[in-house]
Amino acid sequence: AQKITQTQPGMFVQEKEAVTLDCTYDTSDPSYGLFWYKQPSSGEMIFLIYQGSYDQQNATEGRYSLNFQKARKSANLVISASQLGDSAMYFCAMRAGSGANNLFFGTGTRLTVIP
Amino acid sequence: EADIYQTPRYLVIGTGKKITLECSQTMGHDKMYWYQQDPGMELHLIHYSYGVNSTEKGDLSSESTVSRIRTEHFPLTLESARPSHTSQYLCASSEYKRESKTQYFGPGTRLLVL
Repeated sequence: AQKITQTQPGMFVQEKEAVTLDCTYDTSDPSYGLFWYKQPSSGEMIFLIYQGSYDQQNATEGRYSLNFQKARKSANLVISASQLGDSAMYFCAMRAGSGANNLFFGTGTRLTVIP
Repeated sequence: EADIYQTPRYLVIGTGKKITLECSQTMGHDKMYWYQQDPGMELHLIHYSYGVNSTEKGDLSSESTVSRIRTEHFPLTLESARPSHTSQYLCASSEYKRESKTQYFGPGTRLLVL
């Protein structure tokens, strides 16, 4: 069975500071992918970053980077130089298995950026 | 950039009514998905499709039904809406051959059944 755990219901960060959002996962499948999505109050899910289980390097996309620690089964999202527009819900998700059809989502972390 | 659309964005309707939530994508993606999300909670897959004439149920049991007559269109129907169906419904699509299989989401439909 696949499981995603996000233990931080809410986080606060000062504008221009960096913040780390935690995500741990559990799967017995050796092939999997990890995703982070941002959900603003308007409701849409915005894809941020992807990490494959066989990727040797941590993924980066602009101000977003994924701290992938395979042995610990963690895939934390790091947002650098936080902006007010980063305030939103952030969901970690996993696709396990080469033929997997869907994403398993965590319960999310609400990030609030303070001016 | 994702081009996936959902209508309506918001719907308030009475118990017993039949409703159809529309989802369309212009990216030519083979796979499409419907997720249900209660406020402040995680998303759960309720339906997915590999392509035209293919539909499957997801992990979360749902009284809704879906159809896939055209590649770009994946509507979801509730024959008789009930208050327990109140939720947000998110449609997504992905390109079958991309390794990352990133799913791109529409803006969602927030449904309130009175």
